Amino acid sequence: QVQLVQSGAEVKKPGASVKVSCKASGYAFPNYYIQWVRQAPGQGLEWLGLINPSGGNTRYAQKFQDRVAMTRDTSTSTVYMELSSLRSEDTAVYFCARNLIGALGHFFDYWGQGTLVTVSS
Amino acid sequence: DIQMTQSPSSLSASVGDRVTITCQANQDIGNSLNWYQLKSGKAPKLLIYGESNLETGVPSRFSGSGSGRDFTFIISSLQPEDVAAYYCQQSYNFPLTFGGGTKVEI
Repeated sequence: QVQLVQSGAEVKKPGASVKVSCKASGYAFPNYYIQWVRQAPGQGLEWLGLINPSGGNTRYAQKFQDRVAMTRDTSTSTVYMELSSLRSEDTAVYFCARNLIGALGHFFDYWGQGTLVTVSS
Repeated sequence: DIQMTQSPSSLSASVGDRVTITCQANQDIGNSLNWYQLKSGKAPKLLIYGESNLETGVPSRFSGSGSGRDFTFIISSLQPEDVAAYYCQQSYNFPLTFGGGTKVEI
């Protein structure tokens, strides 16, 4: 069955970086974008960007362009999202999600379980 | 960026009630509108994609309609397991954006 399994919770100090992993299984890894969405406490959902696992191409939300990097390891079907220069406002649950490359729209049919990133001094 | 305005932000209804949630875009997005269900501690779930297409395995009491700027999500007969937050999301262009969410309670 399709699974996206994310790494565990992280606590970071302001200014530090965090790297969250998302391991895919149960489907053809190269055929689906992996996208990242976050939800801050009591807030809505916010899109950070996507990576094409096939070629490694990325597209980031302008808001995060200077601080986010998404990479993939095709040998382990794992995608990584690194967010740098963390501030308290980055405290959130970070989700990875997949969508079919070539689908009629970017919608996410499977999601990871979420990774809580807490930024606190 | 495309702004998505979702209403209401919360609602309380009884089991068996019809529940309606609306989502409005600040520009025409065709039918590029999707709906998700979020329950605390669980992975979000896709319910509706492309405005009105029911995701496989999703109960038929969930439905979506609309086009252009105005969209509607309906739960035809609210069930206890539907207690959750619901979000619309536009996939017309980047950055992908979401509505503010609707918390549904019984």
